[in-house]
Amino acid sequence: SQQGEEDPQALSIQEGENATMNCSYKTSINNLQWYRQNSGRGLVHLILIRSNEREKHSGRLRVTLDTSKKSSSLLITASRAADTASYFCATGPAGNMLTFGGGTRLMVKP
Amino acid sequence: DTEVTQTPKHLVMGMTNKKSLKCEQHMGHRAMYWYKQKAKKPPELMFVYSYEKLSINESVPSRFSPECPNSSLLNLHLHALQPEDSALYLCASSQRVPGQGEGNEQFFGPGTRLTVL
Repeated sequence: SQQGEEDPQALSIQEGENATMNCSYKTSINNLQWYRQNSGRGLVHLILIRSNEREKHSGRLRVTLDTSKKSSSLLITASRAADTASYFCATGPAGNMLTFGGGTRLMVKP
Repeated sequence: DTEVTQTPKHLVMGMTNKKSLKCEQHMGHRAMYWYKQKAKKPPELMFVYSYEKLSINESVPSRFSPECPNSSLLNLHLHALQPEDSALYLCASSQRVPGQGEGNEQFFGPGTRLTVL
């Protein structure tokens, strides 16, 4: 079952611009993770934010979590053509069970 | 070695065939997962193995039969599949098993693209 919903479903930007993707979920969570998937390939883990954290950074990635609104956002700064991919949020209640959101397809034009 | 490998990369099979998908990891991870992903959809969990034992079966039809021969290997046996089973099948592993403390990242293989004719 799909717990998270992401918006936008698709996003097209120019290289150098920032990309923001949002994720909403329904039930209480232990943590929220973001994954990237290049076309037809496996998923790559980007970042994990715990339910008691509000913001986390990793390189050009910035993730926020608002548990009161049951939402998270992923910001990619200074985007590159290589960032073109689908991005999924995944929520985990107790333990490691992950439920993936619908995903945002990001296209970065050179 | 921080890689999950899957074979084959592509598989075409008829509805009467029997085939197997294979997954391998050498990171000492205790949980391994099978996911099914249709085009432009998120991955959907099929099975979870914890310490080589099947711990979760997400109501998957019996034409899919998982097997975990040892802590590094995970197979998915396929028999009498339907065309709607055509999808990308992803294997993943994680250090901790579900329910064991806080969540941690899952490492995914590149997937097997399955086409059922």
